Amino acid sequence: QKEVEQNSGPLSVPEGAIASLNCTYSDRGSQSFFWYRQYSGKSPELIMFIYSNGDKEDGRFTAQLNKASQYVSLLIRDSQPSDSATYLCAVRAGANSKLTFGKGITLSVRP
Amino acid sequence: EADIYQTPRYLVIGTGKKITLECSQTMGHDKMYWYQQDPGMELHLIHYSYGVNSTEKGDLSSESTVSRIRTEHFPLTLESARPSHTSQYLCASSDAGRTEAFFGQGTRLTVV
Repeated sequence: QKEVEQNSGPLSVPEGAIASLNCTYSDRGSQSFFWYRQYSGKSPELIMFIYSNGDKEDGRFTAQLNKASQYVSLLIRDSQPSDSATYLCAVRAGANSKLTFGKGITLSVRP
Repeated sequence: EADIYQTPRYLVIGTGKKITLECSQTMGHDKMYWYQQDPGMELHLIHYSYGVNSTEKGDLSSESTVSRIRTEHFPLTLESARPSHTSQYLCASSDAGRTEAFFGQGTRLTVV
């Protein structure tokens, strides 16, 4: 089992819809969780981070963390064509641990 | 302005040449990383460093080597480039604690 799994995808949603991206992780000691967005040919850029169970909202983005079930998700409301990209989930076990990335989910928002 | 820089952005080089990919950050971050990513594929960690004189191999085996003599500088070297080394190489850094990693713009390497 990979440390960080992003199995669903590619995902296609119409403009204005809610896109839901999911990620599971294997290390129960994981403490920090991140969502990165990567446009084709570009570097990953951070869009959200979450440390505690529950929801964290930032504009159209909401990160959800459930440590008991070992999953973290990203919701994108009012999806726009500019949201079309690959979304990478990343997990860090502790302060001195390396950042582990999932393979990513490609999102396509149809105009 | 704090940032992380990679040079060159693009490099086309012949087989057998020695190359060094540069990565520098101005944020004073202790941790630095090198990732390798083929087009449309996932990121693979090839090297990381937790501080000066500290380097570790990542999850993906790589023929490249790294050094960390200064906090801000983390170069990656290939002694003899081969076509199988053709890929994008991404450098990143992060601070101690639970903070995120910041990425450079990447170096796209083509070995012919």
